This record gives sequence, C-alpha cells and structure tokens, in this order.
Amino acid sequence: EVQVVESGGGVVRPGGSLTLSCAASGFTFDDYGMSWVRQAPGKGLEWVSGINWSGGSTGYAGSVKGRFTISRDNAKNSLYLQMNSLRAEDTALYHCARGQRGTMTAPFDFWGQGTLVTVSS
Amino acid sequence: QSVLTQPPSASGTPGQRVTISCSGSTSNIGSDTVNWYQQLPGTAPKLLIYNNNQRPSGVPDRFSGSKSGTSASLAISGLQSEDEADYFCAVWDDSLHGWVFGGGTKLTVL
Repeated sequence: EVQVVESGGGVVRPGGSLTLSCAASGFTFDDYGMSWVRQAPGKGLEWVSGINWSGGSTGYAGSVKGRFTISRDNAKNSLYLQMNSLRAEDTALYHCARGQRGTMTAPFDFWGQGTLVTVSS
Repeated sequence: QSVLTQPPSASGTPGQRVTISCSGSTSNIGSDTVNWYQQLPGTAPKLLIYNNNQRPSGVPDRFSGSKSGTSASLAISGLQSEDEADYFCAVWDDSLHGWVFGGGTKLTVL
C-alpha cells in the first residue's frame, strides 16, 4: 500500500526554522517526483516546492523561494523541507504529495494527511 | 488571489448534473493539462481527474473533465450526497515554473 507520512510540524516563532520530513513506503521512491503542498486553515491549496526523482531538479513557489529548501534521500525513502525565516503567513497544514511520474510536473496521485506548522510569537 | 479562477460554491440535488469551471491563462491551462482534486471534509486531497479528462483507477465515471482554450470544467453526473466536498483544479504554469491551483469550489448536495 502506498503511504506518505509527514512529520516535524510544530509551533515556531517568526524568523525561526523548522524541518519537515516525509517517509514514503509501498512504492519505489526514486521512480517518482515529490512535492510539498500547503493549506492554510480554512483556505485552499498552495504548491510550495517540488523535486524530481533524482533530486537534480527543484522548484519553489515565489512566496517561499530563498527561504525554503526541498531535498530527498532516496536511500532512506524520505523527502524533506527545510524552512527558514518563517513568517505568520507560512502557518498551514503541509502535505507531502507523490507525482505520477519522475518529474515534478506530474499530477499528485497520493497525498499524506499533513503536518501542521504554526508560526506565532 | 489564486492564479486559476473557480466559483467559490456550487450546489445540486441528488441525481442532478453539476459543473465546476476553472479559468486560467495561456501560460497554464492554455499550454498544459488540467487536473482536478477532491477534498472530503477533514481528509487529504485525492486526485480525481488528470490530463484534462483521465480518471484514476477507482474514480467513478460520473466524474468527467474537459478543457477548451484557457478554461476547463469538471462535471459530476448523478450527484450523490458523498460528493459533498471541496474541488480544486490545478495545472503546471510554464511562466511561474510551478504548480498553480484554483481557489477551490465547495460543492453542497441539497
């Protein structure tokens, strides 16, 4: 069974840092591109960042570029999101999502339940 | 303000057919395929339609998608109470080099 499980969320002060992790199982991780998609409370979906199967190609939303870094460890079947200089507007549920193919331009066919990040003083 | 424009709400009675629109531009819908996600209350989004009109395994054929120019539509026929959810369109935007989503449409089954 395909599963992606996020962890690492929590409460952090503005300007602080946090690293999210996504543990994948039930599929050959290095065959697929992966993304992080967030959802602020009561709001819609916003793509945050994506990475291709090898880690050699990454992309970021303009709202997080320069502050967030996506990476993956195919040996550990894991995806990461390093978040720096956090702002109140980064408060959201962060979902890990698998792409249908190895690129980050493929639609997301499996989603995790998300990990909640709250940025507050 | 989302890059893709969806109506915030839609409604229908059981058995009816409803459509949800998604409007974009030449750099997104006009140049790439459209995908639709269904998010039931309190759950993670689920891929409903990909490549404009393809259904993943397990998605009933009551759900269908179409695209014309810079707009797309999701149609749900034979509406059921379990279809009550939020629906989001999404497409890769070539100029932004990233995914863009519509603001979402909350479907109510009356």
